[in-house]
Amino acid sequence: SAVISQKPSRDICQRGTSLTIQCQVDSQVTMMFWYRQQPGQSLTLIATANQGSEATYESGFVIDKFPISRPNLTFSTLTVSNMSPEDSSIYLCSVDMGLASDTQYFGPGTRLTVL
Amino acid sequence: QKEVEQDPGPLSVPEGAIVSLNCTYSNSAFQYFMWYRQYSRKGPELLMYTYSSGNKEDGRFTAQVDKSSKYISLFIRDSQPSDSATYLCAMEDFNKFYFGSGTKLNVKP
Repeated sequence: SAVISQKPSRDICQRGTSLTIQCQVDSQVTMMFWYRQQPGQSLTLIATANQGSEATYESGFVIDKFPISRPNLTFSTLTVSNMSPEDSSIYLCSVDMGLASDTQYFGPGTRLTVL
Repeated sequence: QKEVEQDPGPLSVPEGAIVSLNCTYSNSAFQYFMWYRQYSRKGPELLMYTYSSGNKEDGRFTAQVDKSSKYISLFIRDSQPSDSATYLCAMEDFNKFYFGSGTKLNVKP
């Protein structure tokens, strides 16, 4: 498994501002993912971040709104830009260890509230 | 039709009961099947994963996959109040993961 940390754990932001969420893993991983989880709902994949290449975004998510960096194999950031109340959600990063079992391990999440 | 369907519950059981959580899916290409437990205000924690059809047991937890019916289950024996959480099923196809909406379980002491 992997130990994953996220910063900040929570934040309250004003409309129109941006927030950068950091994700740190205790081992090198190829694939990192960013998800959004709204109250009572399942996980929605925002993008896949592989080191050394541009992030791949899912339908409905764009780079201008959710820019992602992946500078090395243990770290990634997700920025939520020009926020609106609709962006209030839990943002989770996860990793695929790339082992024989295709499973994902999740960070603790960042709870974002936009006023 | 969603790729993965899961009853949201909530499911409320007395301590010691056997709990059955289920998911159905539509994509026959899914090969890896996972169950996550998510406590309130925490990230999902991987509980169990299985490959293809069959059963897998880990302590009080048993995961079951029936690919012919496109149906997976998680059984919890001797349920404890500490099992109270939301349980999400997940499936993988070519490095893309599909999650159920989660079933909220409450085990009453």
